Amino acid sequence: NAGVMQNPRHLVRRRGQEARLRCSPMKGHSHVYWYRQLPEEGLKFMVYLQKENIIDESGMPKERFSAEFPKEGPSILRIQQVVRGDSAAYFCASSPKTSGSYEQYFGPGTRLTVT
Amino acid sequence: GESVGLHLPTLSVQEGDNSIINCAYSNSASDYFIWYKQESGKGPQFIIDIRSNMDKRQGQRVTVLLNKTVKHLSLQIAATQPGDSAVYFCAEGDDYKLSFGAGTTVTVRA
Repeated sequence: NAGVMQNPRHLVRRRGQEARLRCSPMKGHSHVYWYRQLPEEGLKFMVYLQKENIIDESGMPKERFSAEFPKEGPSILRIQQVVRGDSAAYFCASSPKTSGSYEQYFGPGTRLTVT
Repeated sequence: GESVGLHLPTLSVQEGDNSIINCAYSNSASDYFIWYKQESGKGPQFIIDIRSNMDKRQGQRVTVLLNKTVKHLSLQIAATQPGDSAVYFCAEGDDYKLSFGAGTTVTVRA
């Protein structure tokens, strides 16, 4: 049973380009969470999605960032017009249950470097 | 070895000794608390959790203690092994949202 898959594992973008990060949840999981981790810091919640719905995006920057979890295919975190401050590790987690679940399983992360 | 105070960024421990990692949390309304282990280049890996209505929980070689009075959480690792070297994060949870601390880097000396 494969765990949470994320790709690419490493992504280099120049300032102003777009970054697309993909996350495939564990089999049977329909809830996806995105977190960002800056160097030497803990993970910060960004967004919580269910299939075709954004449940909570309170941790997402208001501009340039968007997330989706379509009916078919992986969840996508999209960062437009990247800036150096977007350089970080982005982790996706998935869970099988609805409200009250804390069984979040994390993927290996995508390390974004903006040059 | 033990990290004391609110939080120490690093902890060095002799192989075979017990480790104690401490964490202060901020939200007294958090429902549950989780300890994660993160190895270099990997995602966080679940170690053990504890509900807010408990004060102690034991797993395999690990024990988590919760003191709600002072909003303090600790992770005890018995007989620390080289494979325990990693960054350890405590996280507090309110429904689905996890809030992570800054982490403690544990280094095991042979």
